Amino acid sequence: QVQLQESGPGLVKPAGTLSLTCAVSGASMSRNNWWSWVRQSPGKGLEWIGQIHPSGNTNYNPSLRSRVTMSIDTDTSKSQFSLKLNSVTAADTAVYYCAREYCSAERCYMSFDYWGQGILVTVSS
Amino acid sequence: EIVLTQSPGTLSLSPGERATLSCRASQSVSSNFLTWYQQKPGQAPRLLIYGASSRATGIPDRFSGRGSGTDFTLTISRLEPEDFAVYYCQQSDGSPPMFTFGQGTKLEI
Repeated sequence: QVQLQESGPGLVKPAGTLSLTCAVSGASMSRNNWWSWVRQSPGKGLEWIGQIHPSGNTNYNPSLRSRVTMSIDTDTSKSQFSLKLNSVTAADTAVYYCAREYCSAERCYMSFDYWGQGILVTVSS
Repeated sequence: EIVLTQSPGTLSLSPGERATLSCRASQSVSSNFLTWYQQKPGQAPRLLIYGASSRATGIPDRFSGRGSGTDFTLTISRLEPEDFAVYYCQQSDGSPPMFTFGQGTKLEI
């Protein structure tokens, strides 16, 4: 069974850096799936932050690109990927989810089939 | 950026009734990349429909999706008590890709 688990500080100070990690179990991260971060806030609904491939290639939401960095560790002993969002403000307060792109044997569908349970990150002094 | 508009915002129905949820895109969307999710309070979204009309693994056949171009629909043929939740559509487009979500439809009893 594929499982994703977010971890990181639940409180970040304004102008600081939000750092989260998503631990993946039950799935090989060396396959062709992309791995994404999505956040959800009452004011903006669901917002895709960006994605990372096992190769290390990334794509980011243009609205966040200047502040986002993602990385990945596909070593089977430490299957995880990470998010850093810098210069945070109160507008970055949200529940942050990590998610896997759904791929069949033939192709990928740019949908998310497995999600972490989410982690609430509050930006406040 | 493609904007997805879902309607209605809230849909009030009873168990056993049929629910029809709409997702309209600001420009044409590839059917291959139109997705529906269900979300219950305190939970992550759950994949229901991908490729506009294909049910994800384990999704009951009372859920169906259809549409093309700018207009997509999720139908729940006979509502069960566990179906009352918020439903989101999502699309992907472009190279590099960009994912956007609708604002959601709350299905309430």
